[in-house]
Amino acid sequence: DAKTTQPNSMESNEEEPVHLPCNHSTISGTDYIHWYRQLPSQGPEYVIHGLTSNVNNRMASLAIAEDRKSSTLILHRATLRDAAVYYCILRAASGGSNYKLTFGKGTLLTVNP
Amino acid sequence: NAGVTQTPKFQVLKTGQSMTLQCAQDMNHNSMYWYRQDPGMGLRLIYYSASEGTTDKGEVPNGYNVSRLNKREFSLRLESAAPSQTSVYFCAIKRATRFNEQFFGPGTRLTVL
Repeated sequence: DAKTTQPNSMESNEEEPVHLPCNHSTISGTDYIHWYRQLPSQGPEYVIHGLTSNVNNRMASLAIAEDRKSSTLILHRATLRDAAVYYCILRAASGGSNYKLTFGKGTLLTVNP
Repeated sequence: NAGVTQTPKFQVLKTGQSMTLQCAQDMNHNSMYWYRQDPGMGLRLIYYSASEGTTDKGEVPNGYNVSRLNKREFSLRLESAAPSQTSVYFCAIKRATRFNEQFFGPGTRLTVL
């Protein structure tokens, strides 16, 4: 499976934008880039995903490099509730209904008031 | 985490004891998953089930058995618990949406003494 590399931790101030980087230099052409986050003492929750183009939703934006070897999750205005571990995951477009996810250690985001 | 329930929330076992972790969904999805998360680590897939009556091994299946007797329930059994199985266990389903995202339950915190 293609692997991802993320910083162990990042810090941000409340109401400022946050850019969470992810490197995936061995990504294959059909791998989707998924982001999940895990709030303290909860299960992970889906944030966003993309294949080639940048994506926006109500939670965040995903910027994907042209060569797809890296991506950045953007939280436009961090709140205290955004403090969590953020996981960047590559999911193979294998079809069927397996859709297995391989979690790394993720990036621990701390938001300062 | 409405939609995926896990029981129990907490459990303490002695080495060698057996127990079953229960997971139930009310969202009528085919695919269900069991993960474990050790302190400071990402989630690792134990077993998954693509549909009722089918199960497949994930990354760390040793020491566990699973059962998918109906569409709604997916149970994880520890036949002879070991301290190395101390972990938080998460059940997840794959939503049948265009995102194919996974939706996680609240987790079961298991300690084996």
